[in-house]
Amino acid sequence: AQKITQTQPGMFVQEKEAVTLDCTYDTSDPSYGLFWYKQPSSGEMIFLIYQGSYDQQNATEGRYSLNFQKARKSANLVISASQLGDSAMYFCAMREALSGGYNKLIFGAGTRLAVHP
Amino acid sequence: DTGVSQNPRHKITKRGQNVTFRCDPISEHNRLYWYRQTLGQGPEFLTYFQNEAQLEKSRLLSDRFSAERPKGSFSTLEIQRTEQGDSAMYLCASSFNPTGAGETQYFGPGTRLLVL
Repeated sequence: AQKITQTQPGMFVQEKEAVTLDCTYDTSDPSYGLFWYKQPSSGEMIFLIYQGSYDQQNATEGRYSLNFQKARKSANLVISASQLGDSAMYFCAMREALSGGYNKLIFGAGTRLAVHP
Repeated sequence: DTGVSQNPRHKITKRGQNVTFRCDPISEHNRLYWYRQTLGQGPEFLTYFQNEAQLEKSRLLSDRFSAERPKGSFSTLEIQRTEQGDSAMYLCASSFNPTGAGETQYFGPGTRLLVL
């Protein structure tokens, strides 16, 4: 069965510094996708970044980058130049393919990030 | 550009009552998902619609839960005879990807349910 593990319940970072949020995954499927979502206190899950298992380069989206290490089965999120508005829960998720060509997401337990001024 | 919307945002009900939540996906998205998120956990998959057809249901979805997506547009999730264990955030997500590769699900703000 597919599984996502986020071992950091909480992280603190100083404003303008970079922070890395850890994510490891387990799957026997050679084709998979990994996602990071941000969930502020309002509750909405905001899509940040996606990495496909066959992508040759690490994904980047603005201040977000994904440090994808396939052999180690890790997909860590790096946030550069942290801002106060980055304070939120962050979830790593994996796409599990279902019969019929569609997918469901398997989520980790999340990491709460607090950015201090 | 409107995203996924959900109503109501909050619902407080007494045990044994029925509740219904609504999700309006992004207009061109043909895929719609429901997830449930309990306190301190990540979301868990409940059910999936492709257009109006409900193609997958999790075993988390007991007989008291029913979901519909008439005409392949908005979706409703109904919980009958609510129990305190139903208290959670109910999230809706939609997507569109005809090939299935690199599909990204976009989430709504959720409906937070509290059963007293």
